[in-house]
Amino acid sequence: SYVLTQPPSVSVAPGETARITCGGSNIGSKSVHWYQQKPGQAPVLVIYYDSDRASGIPERFSGSHSGNTATLTISRVEVGDEADYYCQVWDSTTFHALFGGGTKLTV
Amino acid sequence: QLQLQESGPRLVKPSETLSLTCTVPSDSIFSMSYYWGWIRQPPGKGLEWIGSVYYSGTTLFNSSLKSRVSIFIDTSKNQFSLRLNSLTVADTAVYYCARQRWMGNNWFDSWGQGTLVTVSS
Repeated sequence: SYVLTQPPSVSVAPGETARITCGGSNIGSKSVHWYQQKPGQAPVLVIYYDSDRASGIPERFSGSHSGNTATLTISRVEVGDEADYYCQVWDSTTFHALFGGGTKLTV
Repeated sequence: QLQLQESGPRLVKPSETLSLTCTVPSDSIFSMSYYWGWIRQPPGKGLEWIGSVYYSGTTLFNSSLKSRVSIFIDTSKNQFSLRLNSLTVADTAVYYCARQRWMGNNWFDSWGQGTLVTVSS
């Protein structure tokens, strides 16, 4: 079955740029979506269709896609960005929604 | 964002059936642009898609759970529901309902707050 691979953790200082990757076989043929989940809360859509920001999401959040890796970039990171981040794709072959294992961002 | 609300028992016994309902606060349940999904998250772990339902009743399921899952929709009540049978302790998780934007490459744009379901005797 299709697997999305994320690093378990990323750590940055406030004001720096955080990059969270999501890898998968032939992921370039799929659109990648990103979610932010803070402790005790439901996930929130951050990026859809690789690079479109969801409503209310600051411009500091951006998405990109190159080769077998999709990347969520958070510029000028704030303490409030500390959360778990998940990538997700829709596998149109199996009609499944698939999530990466999640990355804990520490600020 | 749409405010979805899960409801159902918080504690169920092994081998029994879990039933959860998600209430959608508007007639958007009739929209052709959305499916309505269930996702779960075991304590301290990642997200797992369970399945989704369309307003017409068409369903999609995670193959790993398909034999134990049913999802159905009641448009007259603006609700959709999850049933998961033959429960084990491994089914203990926070269960979320979510709206799934259906545009070829589909994503979840609104989520309920989630409900923790514990499977224990």
